[in-house]
Amino acid sequence: GENVEQHPSTLSVQEGDSAVIKCTYSDSASNYFPWYKQELGKRPQLIIDIRSNVGEKKDQRIAVTLNKTAKHFSLHITETQPEDSAVYFCAAPIYGQNFVFGPGTRLSVLP
Amino acid sequence: SAVISQKPSRDICQRGTSLTIQCQVDSQVTMMFWYRQQPGQSLTLIATANQGSEATYESGFVIDKFPISRPNLTFSTLTVSNMSPEDSSIYLCSVEAGIRGYTFGSGTRLTVV
Repeated sequence: GENVEQHPSTLSVQEGDSAVIKCTYSDSASNYFPWYKQELGKRPQLIIDIRSNVGEKKDQRIAVTLNKTAKHFSLHITETQPEDSAVYFCAAPIYGQNFVFGPGTRLSVLP
Repeated sequence: SAVISQKPSRDICQRGTSLTIQCQVDSQVTMMFWYRQQPGQSLTLIATANQGSEATYESGFVIDKFPISRPNLTFSTLTVSNMSPEDSSIYLCSVEAGIRGYTFGSGTRLTVV
């Protein structure tokens, strides 16, 4: 079945530095890859997504890159701020339908 | 994107009892999804609820334990039956947000004592 791996599990960066989180997936037919941010006690919120017909997508300080050949995609956050501290989850669809979520990355941005 | 109202937001329940969680969506959606998020863990899909048919359960989840209703295209309920402390989790409903992934309800934090 579909397996989504996510690394690292925890990440600490200094405010202003960049953070990169990587996910790998197993289903080569997967074609849509969202990233969710979950702050403590709150619901997961979609922050950026990418479809398989592009290799990169940016939204201000956040970007996602996709390598379909290698079956991995990464979240890039530049100029990190304390409010970026949260748990980030990647996800990939199973057979184009239900999503499998990665195990999550706890990002801490240190002031 | 769709807006989901989920309730209750939290509850403390006695073991052996049942709790029904409700999700109301502000637009019609074909599929609704129910997830469990155990403390410090990722989201695990419990089942997919389609209107007019029985829910489809993922491996490890059964209808007797997690009965689901889907009476129309904007509403669904998940019941956690015969609860034990191991059922203490956050339960979230979710729907497709158009072409952009999934939107989640605010979650129900369940504690079983």
